[in-house]
Amino acid sequence: DAGITQSPRHKVTETGTPVTLRCHQTENHRYMYWYRQDPGHGLRLIHYSYGVKDTDKGEVSDGYSVSRSKTEDFLLTLESATSSQTSVYFCAICRGQGNSPLHFGNGTRLTVT
Amino acid sequence: DQQVKQNSPSLSVQEGRISILNCDYTNSMFDYFLWYKKYPAEGPTFLISISSIKDKNEDGRFTVFLNKSAKHLSLHIVPSQPGDSAVYFCAASGSNDYKLSFGAGTTVTVRA
Repeated sequence: DAGITQSPRHKVTETGTPVTLRCHQTENHRYMYWYRQDPGHGLRLIHYSYGVKDTDKGEVSDGYSVSRSKTEDFLLTLESATSSQTSVYFCAICRGQGNSPLHFGNGTRLTVT
Repeated sequence: DQQVKQNSPSLSVQEGRISILNCDYTNSMFDYFLWYKKYPAEGPTFLISISSIKDKNEDGRFTVFLNKSAKHLSLHIVPSQPGDSAVYFCAASGSNDYKLSFGAGTTVTVRA
């Protein structure tokens, strides 16, 4: 999606190291999300944000933290990466009000060895 | 516990025929339902949605049907085309919830 940039697109890291993934939007939307995609599980919500410094946990938040110091950036941090966090991570934004679809970035493939 | 379930991991269909993808949900508070399509190495893209006040929504070749009493929705693709080969995710949310719960996905392969 042209309005959402995720970086890096690919990363390989070792168990126990910290990792930060970045999501940048150019459209000034209030709601931003981090999901992970795993085979057999679909997409699962990790954390989401409803404004600067306003964040909340999703269904699989253990081992992850987030920060949103600016409207356009939403960071996902793995404080100490584990092999179970090997996954594809997607950032999303909500462009509308209430019941509206989410729009996703192209993902970050993270491998923890 | 997964609140949105897609029980068919894969579907193979001949080009030109109908593809029918199914989805069940358990949370009675869900009132907004969506289908997403995903190609490899790309993010999911929104396909079509339906709110609980309707039982059918159509957009070109794509139609979503909602059966609230059965907590079931389906996506019909007619006619299926090779470019429809992708993973399809069903998703749902509660009223003004701003969060989506997703199913595990169904991989559709359209054969020539």
